[in-house]
Amino acid sequence: EDQVTQSPEALRLQEGESSSLNCSYTVSGLRGLFWYRQDPGKGPEFLFTLYSAGEEKEKERLKATLTKKESFLHITAPKPEDSATYLCAVDLPSSASKIIFGSGTRLSIRP
Amino acid sequence: DAGITQSPRYKITETGRQVTLMCHQTWSHSYMFWYRQDLGHGLRLIYYSAAADITDKGEVSDGYVVSRSKTENFPLTLESATRSQTSVYFCASSPQGINEKLFFGSGTQLSVL
Repeated sequence: EDQVTQSPEALRLQEGESSSLNCSYTVSGLRGLFWYRQDPGKGPEFLFTLYSAGEEKEKERLKATLTKKESFLHITAPKPEDSATYLCAVDLPSSASKIIFGSGTRLSIRP
Repeated sequence: DAGITQSPRYKITETGRQVTLMCHQTWSHSYMFWYRQDLGHGLRLIYYSAAADITDKGEVSDGYVVSRSKTENFPLTLESATRSQTSVYFCASSPQGINEKLFFGSGTQLSVL
């Protein structure tokens, strides 16, 4: 069964402390990988799309990278306003659901 | 620009009742989607629509019905609500296709007692 796994489930950082979130998937043949940010009580907000291994995208303090089996969302010198749940989603050829979402990483940045 | 509007924001109902969740978008996006979000499961696709009068099932469609008579509206109906349908429901749209970037509404939190 196709699976998308995000780790860690939750991450608490001090303001300015850089780290990375992971999204791994079990099936080859990725057609696209998406990163979304979700604030409490709101719908997910699109951040990035990555299509091929080696591709990188950046937005402010966030950088997304992609390998053949996983993606990383690197956050550099985070601020409290970066606190949110970060979701990844993958577009797999074998997926009847079209896009499979991971369960997310809850990121909390302490001032 | 309103984007995607979902209503109601919160809904409490009883087992066996019919419930309709509304979704309206102002962008004229062709594609619209309904997802449910539960702890530990991530977002799961219920139904999607490629255009008016064209709908298709997603991963967890049992117990749900959709319609799309107009491009801008995509209501989701729970024909006979069950407790397992307690969840947060998100409507989304996309201008480009089913496997592209999605724009989400703010969600409807549904509790079935």
